[in-house]
Amino acid sequence: AQSVSQHNHHVILSEAASLELGCNYSYGGTVNLFWYVQYPGQHLQLLLKYFSGDPLVKGIKGFEAEFIKSKFSFNLRKPSVQWSDTAEYFCAVNGLRGKLIFGQGTELSVKP
Amino acid sequence: KAGVTQTPRYLIKTRGQQVTLSCSPISGHRSVSWYQQTPGQGLQFLFEYFSETQRNKGNFPGRFSGRQFSNSRSEMNVSTLELGDSALYLCASSFARADTQYFGPGTRLTVL
Repeated sequence: AQSVSQHNHHVILSEAASLELGCNYSYGGTVNLFWYVQYPGQHLQLLLKYFSGDPLVKGIKGFEAEFIKSKFSFNLRKPSVQWSDTAEYFCAVNGLRGKLIFGQGTELSVKP
Repeated sequence: KAGVTQTPRYLIKTRGQQVTLSCSPISGHRSVSWYQQTPGQGLQFLFEYFSETQRNKGNFPGRFSGRQFSNSRSEMNVSTLELGDSALYLCASSFARADTQYFGPGTRLTVL
């Protein structure tokens, strides 16, 4: 069965620190990969996605993620976080069908 | 384009009642998926509809059902509500089945 694992449940950083959130998935076939973000009181928004091509994808607000097929990983990175990045981040994967499998989420708290 | 809309935004019901939630996808999107979000279980897939047919179903009891209309709008129904059904119910739409899913704000259901 497909599954997605996010390594950290809660990450606390100071502003300007670098961020890396881990995501690993298990699925034997072709996958599409996503990171979504849920800011406090707001709905789930797409941060970035990988379908094919360059394994390093860039998203909104300076976020990027790297797909490493051999490691079944899709880690999210940002060189310098801001207080406004405080949110919950979800990694998700789908195969050929419209069923997203989500990780448990990582809550990011950025201290000003 | 207008985003995914969900109505109502908040609902309070008592155990044993039933509830119907509505979702209007982004114009032109034909695939609608539903998810349940709870603090303990995270985001879990309920079902997916495409061209008025249920294409995929998650691991939820038969009390959870849904349908899609010819204009791609979708409804989900939960019968005989239980306390554990209290959750945020999210609807997402996409142009094609394995395409990027865009989420609505959700319906917050509280079962007393």
